[in-house]
Amino acid sequence: NAGVTQTPKFRILKIGQSMTLQCAQDMNHNYMYWYRQDPGMGLKLIYYSVGAGITDKGEVPNGYNVSRSTTEDFPLRLELAAPSQTSVYFCASSYSGSIGYEQYFGPGTRLTVT
Amino acid sequence: GENVEQHPSTLSVQEGDSAVIKCTYSDSASNYFPWYKQELGKRPQLIIDIRSNVGEKKDQRIAVTLNKTAKHFSLHITETQPEDSAVYFCAAPKPVDSGYALNFGKGTSLLVTP
Repeated sequence: NAGVTQTPKFRILKIGQSMTLQCAQDMNHNYMYWYRQDPGMGLKLIYYSVGAGITDKGEVPNGYNVSRSTTEDFPLRLELAAPSQTSVYFCASSYSGSIGYEQYFGPGTRLTVT
Repeated sequence: GENVEQHPSTLSVQEGDSAVIKCTYSDSASNYFPWYKQELGKRPQLIIDIRSNVGEKKDQRIAVTLNKTAKHFSLHITETQPEDSAVYFCAAPKPVDSGYALNFGKGTSLLVTP
């Protein structure tokens, strides 16, 4: 199993540009999550999904959109990039949303908006 | 929602010494507390977790203790080695639709010097 994969690894965007961060998992996990990690601020939840066709907002959803058309894929869309979106983005998945199920993280995408 | 406070933000120890990282949480109903380790430039990975029905859990040189009354839990690393140098995150469950997400602390940067 490849686990959780993310592309691209690095990206530089100009203000106002759009892009999609890709995330895929091959573990047949129902739950998937997008976090952003800013220096000294831990991981903040952007969006999550409990299964194909179902998504919901996390703590910091503004400026982002997601979709979940298949169990495997959970892309994150930035429509109008802003400098405040400069961050490292991690996708994660877990088999269940019940207590005690480990979240597996992807390798991350480092995004810079200038 | 659940707040997770983590201290210290940085910790430097000599190789062979012990390291302790402490987290406090606000929701007395929380019942699962994982710890993640993130090496420089890598993804967070689960290293140990504890459920609220036990007070301590050990795995070789790492242990986690839980004090439900005081609403805090701690990570203990004994006989530290340079490869223990990383950022450590604690987390507590946050209810979302159909399950749970995780609220992460801001992280502790541990440096083990030879």
